[in-house]
Amino acid sequence: ETGVTQSPTHLIKTRGQQVTLRCSSQSGHNTVSWYQQALGQGPQFIFQYYREEENGRGNFPPRFSGLQFPNYSSELNVNALELDDSALYLCASSSDRLTDTQYFGPGTRLTVL
Amino acid sequence: QKEVEQNSGPLSVPEGAIASLNCTYSDRGSQSFFWYRQYSGKSPELIMFIYSNGDKEDGRFTAQLNKASQYVSLLIRDSQPSDSATYLCAAYPPNNNDMRFGAGTRLTVKP
Repeated sequence: ETGVTQSPTHLIKTRGQQVTLRCSSQSGHNTVSWYQQALGQGPQFIFQYYREEENGRGNFPPRFSGLQFPNYSSELNVNALELDDSALYLCASSSDRLTDTQYFGPGTRLTVL
Repeated sequence: QKEVEQNSGPLSVPEGAIASLNCTYSDRGSQSFFWYRQYSGKSPELIMFIYSNGDKEDGRFTAQLNKASQYVSLLIRDSQPSDSATYLCAAYPPNNNDMRFGAGTRLTVKP
């Protein structure tokens, strides 16, 4: 167990809806990264938050947004859901912004119908 | 060319054998490399990280890094059926916190 938790475990939404996924980082970690993992693929970096500020973003449209709170927990928000957004969403926490080992939570499985 | 490439497999080895998993990366300036194991339907679990050229051993696992060849490998000795999973190779590009993952190699260890 990494100490990183995510909620909910599973979620089913319809196209056009909005979703919020939550992550609680490991104790002592101030950095949270979010990834999208499609079936049969490796995780794709969405963005990273360090001390409540976005600290890097992957090739995802603006309808993917996030927040980090003072206790270093984090949210991923996705607006205007599309069918291709169906994936496993992973958050990973680490103790520094750059090149530190990342520890993953259990993930949220999102299905968009 | 993908930044981190792995053979997708599947790789099948008999129980007790050595499993060899390979990974290449395109950005020569990458400094940190990671191997994660992912069971079906679960999240990636860190096995090892390696920063320096050469070998790094942890129990039955050995990571090997050759920066000149831009090559990272993971050896699993005395493979067990419980090692059956997808193994993900990951690297940080230089001066970047965007960890890049390969697509993973599926390993099956047959009893």
